[in-house]
Parts: sequence; structure tokens; C-alpha cells
Amino acid sequence: GAVVSQHPSWVICKSGTSVKIECRSLDFQATTMFWYRQFPKQSLMLMATSNEGSKATYEQGVEKDKFLINHASLTLSTLTVTSAHPEDSSFYICTVGRDRGQYFGPGTRLTVL
Amino acid sequence: AQKVTQAQTEISVVEKEDVTLDCVYETRDTTYYLFWYKQPPSGELVFLIRRNSFDEQNEISGRYSWNFQKSTSSFNFTITASQVVDSAVYFCALSGSNFGNEKLTFGTGTRLTIIP
Repeated sequence: GAVVSQHPSWVICKSGTSVKIECRSLDFQATTMFWYRQFPKQSLMLMATSNEGSKATYEQGVEKDKFLINHASLTLSTLTVTSAHPEDSSFYICTVGRDRGQYFGPGTRLTVL
Repeated sequence: AQKVTQAQTEISVVEKEDVTLDCVYETRDTTYYLFWYKQPPSGELVFLIRRNSFDEQNEISGRYSWNFQKSTSSFNFTITASQVVDSAVYFCALSGSNFGNEKLTFGTGTRLTIIP
């Protein structure tokens, strides 16, 4: 199966700063990657679909100007949380989509103080 | 719209007991896929099984078994002779026919605690 990495695995930042999370597909060129968010003790909710070479598609209720997604290459998608606030503290998970399914990254735990 | 319901929020059983996790889904698609994932305390999701809507055969993998019943829109997961390592949150999920390139709709998860 596909190997997906995320960096960083955890990050703590001050309110108002921006945080970039990277998702890499290590053995597969992915035209589609997904970004999910999981608040503590809750389920995973899709935030956006990242499409290589084009704009991301955001789910209803997700602020595209706050959560910037860049899928500049077939192996890298980045999620930037701009002007992060404590309510953005969450577990962010990316997945790589391919014909045999979606492969999950290990997740990035963001804590905003 | 797709929806997945996991009515059991938390379950605790004593080690070696059997336990069944329930999953009920809703979809208008005729072709769809169902999944189970395990999320241990580390957070990384572990894929357990994928089942397509045309395959209603039950499946067994070691101590794990799955019962898919289209008539009741259910895809239940049973762990036999539970072990402490089975303690985790388990998610049932649903996608459309293009499961590699479509979003997954997750249930709210069932937190399973195995008591030694």
C-alpha cells in the first residue's frame, strides 16, 4: 500500500500564528489527497479535497481563506492554518487516494495556546 | 447524502469476552464501499477491512469477523476472545463507488476498552 507521511507530527503554537502541515505520498504520485480534521473524542470530518495543479475543494463550513491548501506536486500537499486560534486545536489527517483505496497519514496534532 | 451511525459510544468488556460493534449506514448509491478502521491511542488509523455493496459474504480474519447485511444496512464487527491490545476507537466508514478518490464518511466511533 501507499506510504504517507505527515510533518510535523505535533505542533504547539501561539494564537495568531500560522502553521503549515505537510503531507507526502512517498511511493505513489497522487493527483488527489484529502484533509480530515478530528476534534478530541470526535469523528473524522473531511475538510477539503486537494487536487494537484488546481484549487482545493472545500467542504461546507470550512473557511478556505483560513485553511490554505496547496497541492503543488504529485507527492506533496500542504495545509496552512492561518492565524490559528485555540478552537483550531485538532488532529489533522491527510489521506492519499488511489485506485485501491485511501491511505492515511499518521496525523498532525495541533495545539494552539 | 451518506450517513454512518455507530450507536455505541463506549463499550467495556472483560478480556477474552466477545464483543460486537454495530454500524448502520445510509446511502442512495447502488455501488458503495464500507470500511472499518481502528484508531489506537497513538492516533494513526489502521485499516481493517473494505467491503463492496455487492459482496454480502461474511468475512473472518483471525479473531475479527464482519457481518454485512444489506437488508438492514448494517455492517457489524465482532472481535472474538478480546485482548487488551484491542482497546481503541473503532470507526465505520462509507464511500461511493470510486473509493480511492471520494471522501470517506465516518461514523462517530466506538471506544472499546478491554479490561484485563
